[in-house]
Amino acid sequence: NAGVTQTPKFQVLKTGQSMTLQCAQDMNHNSMYWYRQDPGMGLRLIYYSASEGTTDKGEVPNGYNVSRLNKREFSLRLESAAPSQTSVYFCASLGAESYEQYFGPGTRLTVT
Amino acid sequence: AQRVTQPEKLLSVFKGAPVELKCNYSYSGSPELFWYVQYSRQRLQLLLRHISRESIKGFTADLNKGETSFHLKKPFAQEEDSAMYYCALKGGSQGNLIFGKGTKLSVKP
Repeated sequence: NAGVTQTPKFQVLKTGQSMTLQCAQDMNHNSMYWYRQDPGMGLRLIYYSASEGTTDKGEVPNGYNVSRLNKREFSLRLESAAPSQTSVYFCASLGAESYEQYFGPGTRLTVT
Repeated sequence: AQRVTQPEKLLSVFKGAPVELKCNYSYSGSPELFWYVQYSRQRLQLLLRHISRESIKGFTADLNKGETSFHLKKPFAQEEDSAMYYCALKGGSQGNLIFGKGTKLSVKP
């Protein structure tokens, strides 16, 4: 039982490049989330998905898109990366009858 | 507006000293509050939930609705408690968490 996995662990992009961050969970959870973690800012919600086939904006959605591919996978796409998107990105999931969000190990992204 | 405030960015104590990490919230209704912890180079994990009223790794947190606070306490800090601590409020029907900005706890030998 791997829990929540994220790929890649590290990524360096040039301004304007695109990339997709992958997240998968094997706990049969309905809800999945993408956060970004910045020093002094805590964790901020980018997008979430309450169930397969639905996605909603969080606090800081600009510059990002998401896809809930199936119940297991929730990807985050940066179409045209900007230096302001340099951050650590965390994926999380939550079961229907649960209160605890389970987090992935994070992806450290640097945009130069 | 729903908000979580952690006033201290950094808290430094010596081993064996008491620790209190402050958390205040703003929420209309009955809040559901959590403390998450992130040890160095590890993923975030749940430490405490206010409803359970249990002690985990010697930490406790009491919800004070009058003061809108959920401070995390431990009577005797250990070096292994050094980590980033986040207070979080469940803010909506979708289970979305609103996080504070975090407090870095450093326990010195």
